[in-house]
Amino acid sequence: DTEVTQTPKHLVMGMTNKKSLKCEQHMGHRAMYWYKQKAKKPPELMFVYSYEKLSINESVPSRFSPECPNSSLLNLHLHALQPEDSALYLCASSQDIRGEAFFGQGTRLTVV
Amino acid sequence: AQSVTQLDSQVPVFEEAPVELRCNYSSSVSVYLFWYVQYPNQGLQLLLKYLSGSTLVKGINGFEAEFNKSQTSFHLRKPSVHISDTAEYFCAVSDRRNRDDKIIFGKGTRLHILP
Repeated sequence: DTEVTQTPKHLVMGMTNKKSLKCEQHMGHRAMYWYKQKAKKPPELMFVYSYEKLSINESVPSRFSPECPNSSLLNLHLHALQPEDSALYLCASSQDIRGEAFFGQGTRLTVV
Repeated sequence: AQSVTQLDSQVPVFEEAPVELRCNYSSSVSVYLFWYVQYPNQGLQLLLKYLSGSTLVKGINGFEAEFNKSQTSFHLRKPSVHISDTAEYFCAVSDRRNRDDKIIFGKGTRLHILP
C-alpha cells in the first residue's frame, strides 16, 4: 500500500466553524507533513512530524493546530479561519525528512 | 539553506516533440533531488529521484533526468510528449548530509502540450 489517504476531499466552512482534516498512511513512514498550496504556486510547508513529535512548525498561525495521534495518522484542526486560508491542503509522508515524499490527493478547503 | 530555481514558469511544446524542463539548485553539497508532477486538482506524484549512483535517472511515464554536479542542475527530459503530460512539474532538493533537512520545492513549470 503506497497511498496517503486524505479526508474530506472538499470542505466548505464558515469563519466561526471548527473542522478537522484527516490523513492516513500505512507505509510505516515516520515523517508526516502538512502543506498548503494556493493556485499556481508550489506547496508551502506548514508542519512536520517526525516519530510522532512535531519537529517543524513554519510559523503557522495558531488557528491551524496539528495533531499526530499515532504513527499512521495526522490531523489538522481548523478554527476561526479566514477567507485567505482557502487553498488545497496536502498531506505527505516519507521514511525520513530528507527523502521521497508520498502525497495524498489533498483537501480543497473553502472558507466563506 | 538549499534553494531550487525553475527558470521557466511555462513551457509550450507540440505533441510528440521532445521537451526539457530546467532545474538548478543552490549548492554543490551532497543532495537528494526529485521531480514531482501535479495534474489538475490532484496531489503531487513522484516522477523520479536522484539519491546516489548513476547520474542518469529514469522515471515513470517515459521521463528521465540527469544530475550534473558541476552545473548544479537536474533537468527533466522526455523524447516525445503526449497530451496527457499536461501538468505542473516541480523540482525539489534536500541536503542528504542533514537528516533534519526538509525538502525544498521550486516554483514549478507548467507544461502545455499543443495539438
